[in-house]
Amino acid sequence: GQNIDQPTEMTATEGAIVQINCTYQTSGFNGLFWYQQHAGEAPTFLSYNVLDGLEEKGRFSSFLSRSKGYSYLLLKELQMKDSASYLCVENTGFQKLVFGTGTRLLVSP
Amino acid sequence: DTGVSQNPRHKITKRGQNVTFRCDPISEHNRLYWYRQTLGQGPEFLTYFQNEAQLEKSRLLSDRFSAERPKGSFSTLEIQRTEQGDSAMYLCASSLAGDSGNTIYFGEGSWLTVV
Repeated sequence: GQNIDQPTEMTATEGAIVQINCTYQTSGFNGLFWYQQHAGEAPTFLSYNVLDGLEEKGRFSSFLSRSKGYSYLLLKELQMKDSASYLCVENTGFQKLVFGTGTRLLVSP
Repeated sequence: DTGVSQNPRHKITKRGQNVTFRCDPISEHNRLYWYRQTLGQGPEFLTYFQNEAQLEKSRLLSDRFSAERPKGSFSTLEIQRTEQGDSAMYLCASSLAGDSGNTIYFGEGSWLTVV
């Protein structure tokens, strides 16, 4: 995805905490999404940040710093079912979404 | 089921044939999007509609691709004279303009394999 940078792959163990970082192009920024995508399935919405700060939603939290063009997704108490790709997605206006290539997270026992 | 619905879910076609995919968005959603995703990549924007008006088209959408949303509800994406490079998952998504959450909901996708 253009101008979206996130790690290609991460591994973690069940019960642990993992942070997936994302940097994006700041011009034309209108918000940042995180989506989860299991192999062969459609992306499912996790979070949306427009303002700076941390948004917490259960085991998942997302952070945004607009001045730095930086976001992260924090997953706590990892479960095996959290093994998936996590897509950092920038809303560049009129909800035109620019997707990163995703971070494949593998959770092991 | 009140989510975004796409069909067919899978399509295998011979090169040169035409294919059409249909998307039924969430009923009150006025924005509808088409994306294409190939293996190992994130979805790429193709086009989007607000009501029946097609407001933006990506340059990825060649002349062989056409999308319509005639009554502002369901949409179709047609690919003419398919090529092997068209093999991908075609994702439809919808949202409600003005929704403060700005959440875009995706359908389960239509897989196209061109042989």
